[in-house]
Amino acid sequence: SAVISQKPSRDICQRGTSLTIQCQVDSQVTMMFWYRQQPGQSLTLIATANQGSEATYESGFVIDKFPISRPNLTFSTLTVSNMSPEDSSIYLCSVENLYGYTFGSGTRLTVV
Amino acid sequence: DAKTTQPNSMESNEEEPVHLPCNHSTISGTDYIHWYRQLPSQGPEYVIHGLTSNVNNRMASLAIAEDRKSSTLILHRATLRDAAVYYCILIQYGGSQGNLIFGKGTKLSVKP
Repeated sequence: SAVISQKPSRDICQRGTSLTIQCQVDSQVTMMFWYRQQPGQSLTLIATANQGSEATYESGFVIDKFPISRPNLTFSTLTVSNMSPEDSSIYLCSVENLYGYTFGSGTRLTVV
Repeated sequence: DAKTTQPNSMESNEEEPVHLPCNHSTISGTDYIHWYRQLPSQGPEYVIHGLTSNVNNRMASLAIAEDRKSSTLILHRATLRDAAVYYCILIQYGGSQGNLIFGKGTKLSVKP
C-alpha cells in the first residue's frame, strides 16, 4: 500500500496566521483526501483534491478557509487560513489503495 | 454510505482474545465492511475488510454475520500495542470517494 509522509507533525500557531500542511505519497494517486479530527472526536472529510482541477469541499468547509493545492499526482497541501482557537485539531491526508485507505500520521495544530 | 454502531469502549487483559462488535443493519449489497484502528497520536491504519465470508490476516480476524447486519473484529491475543480506537466503516464497492463515515469507534484498553 501507499506510504504517506505528512508534515509538520505538530505546530503551535498564533491566531490570525496561516499554516500549510504537506502530504507526499510514494506513488501516483488520482485523489487525495483531507480530514479534520477535532479534540476527542472522529474524523470528518474536509475536501477531495484532484490533480489538475479545483478541490471539492464538503458541506461546512470553504476554499477561502482551507485552500488546497494539488500540483502533481504525488503531492498535496492544505492551508488553514486566518486561524482561530477553534481550528485546533488534527489534520490528516489520505489516499485510496488496493485494500482501502492509507492515512498520513496527522498534523496536530494548536492555535493560541 | 450506511452508518455503523459500536460500543464506546471495551477492556481486555493482555494475551486474551478480544471481540469487537459492530452493527450495520442498513448495509447494502455493495458495501464492504472495513476495520481501521487509530493508535494514540497516529492516523488510522487499515486492519481488515470483508464482504460476506469470514476473513483472516496477520493482524486480526473478521467474522461477518450471515445476514451481514453485524460483524465482529477478533484480536486473538491482545497486546498492549493493540490499545487504540477501532472503527468499523462501510465502503462501497469501487470506493467511497474518500468520504469515509467514521463513527466514534470503540476505544480498546488493554490491561497488563
